[in-house]
Amino acid sequence: QVQLLQSGAEVKKPGSSVTVSCQASGDTFSTYTIGWVRQAPGQGLEWLGRLIPITAIAISAQKFQGRVTITADKSTHTVYMELSSLSSDDTAVYYCAGLSGATGYFDIWGQGTLVTVSS
Amino acid sequence: SYVLTQPPSVSVAPGKAASITCGGNNIGGSSVHWYQQRPGQAPLLVIYYDDDRPSGTPERFSGSKSGDTATLTISRVEAGDEADYYCQVWDSSSDQPVFGGGTTLTVL
Repeated sequence: QVQLLQSGAEVKKPGSSVTVSCQASGDTFSTYTIGWVRQAPGQGLEWLGRLIPITAIAISAQKFQGRVTITADKSTHTVYMELSSLSSDDTAVYYCAGLSGATGYFDIWGQGTLVTVSS
Repeated sequence: SYVLTQPPSVSVAPGKAASITCGGNNIGGSSVHWYQQRPGQAPLLVIYYDDDRPSGTPERFSGSKSGDTATLTISRVEAGDEADYYCQVWDSSSDQPVFGGGTTLTVL
């Protein structure tokens, strides 16, 4: 069973960037697509994008194109999500999640990383 | 863009059945997945491909679809079922997942 371990909470200034990491345990890292979902305080789930580690192809949601960069380090089984040009609207818990199949469901989730954007 | 509509809240007495709906245009042509999210925790998959249960999901949880509506039914509701529930489909036109707005289940 793959488990996803995310990096710790971050506090950032408006206009800056944040990088959240997601390390996969187990030996199925190369076969899982890793997606990123965020949840603003008291709000629902919002899709940011995904990366297929075996091909290193990353696809971001249209809303975040140009602001989200998703990369992977195969040697450490880690996927990174960088969000730039932060504003207070980006304050949220950011989750990585394992996507079963190319267009299916998320059957494993990281524990979440709180990103707070404040001046 | 594709939209999934859920009621904001559902209340149910312990031991009764709760139904949470998820409406979407032609949802019958999509596979629907359901997640449970307890306060302060990450979402947890409880139903996938409309009506399949992952190992660990109690048999009290079931999924169904009819017309433009998918439904998550929880029978014999327990206090521990209090949580937010989200439906999700994959929108092929935008090639991305779409989540419903979420439903808060309250056990009276």
